[in-house]
Amino acid sequence: GAGVSQTPSNKVTEKGKYVELRCDPISGHTALYWYRQSLGQGPEFLIYFQGTGAADDSGLPNDRFFAVRPEGSVSTLKIQRTERGDSAVYLCASSSGLVGNEQFFGPGTRLTVL
Amino acid sequence: AQTVTQSQPEMSVQEAETVTLSCTYDTSESDYYLFWYKQPPSRQMILVIRQEAYKQQNATENRFSVNFQKAAKSFSLKISDSQLGDAAMYFCAYSSAGTSYGKLTFGQGTILTVHP
Repeated sequence: GAGVSQTPSNKVTEKGKYVELRCDPISGHTALYWYRQSLGQGPEFLIYFQGTGAADDSGLPNDRFFAVRPEGSVSTLKIQRTERGDSAVYLCASSSGLVGNEQFFGPGTRLTVL
Repeated sequence: AQTVTQSQPEMSVQEAETVTLSCTYDTSESDYYLFWYKQPPSRQMILVIRQEAYKQQNATENRFSVNFQKAAKSFSLKISDSQLGDAAMYFCAYSSAGTSYGKLTFGQGTILTVHP
């Protein structure tokens, strides 16, 4: 079956612009996570969805970041007024929702803010 | 808050030999999960092995095994009979069994190089 997919794979934007990053989880997975990975570092948690609702958004760095999952499947991470410090790889993962179960990761979107 | 520390930024091993990657973590919880993920240059994170803290037996998956020392809060990964395809960045990760919804806390990673 298909794994987690993310689009675009690479995104280059200018400082101050708005960007949307998309994640298609594995079909049937109720849990969806977004992580951010800076160069040479481990991923850092941003937000968790269980179904359509954001159950934990404690990792979002500020109010320029927002994510939605309106139908409980595809999720979009939205970044307003991008800054150079937002440059990173944004990873999406999905799982069956049971704590401790494997999270399946997508290939990530590399965001570069010029 | 939980923290995960990988003290080896880089490791290298000869093909067919054994290498051990170190990981320590800090938590006040008694029930949790630990993971090793592999990230090749393609960026796709792949689960290598998983350990449940309440299980004393160390997890094994083919050539991969862990040494889980709960009291010492240590979780090392041993790769036996190393292969060229094992070359990647390896991340140790922690997940609470409580109310953190399974979110992962990652270490800084260890780059593993395999020499032919």
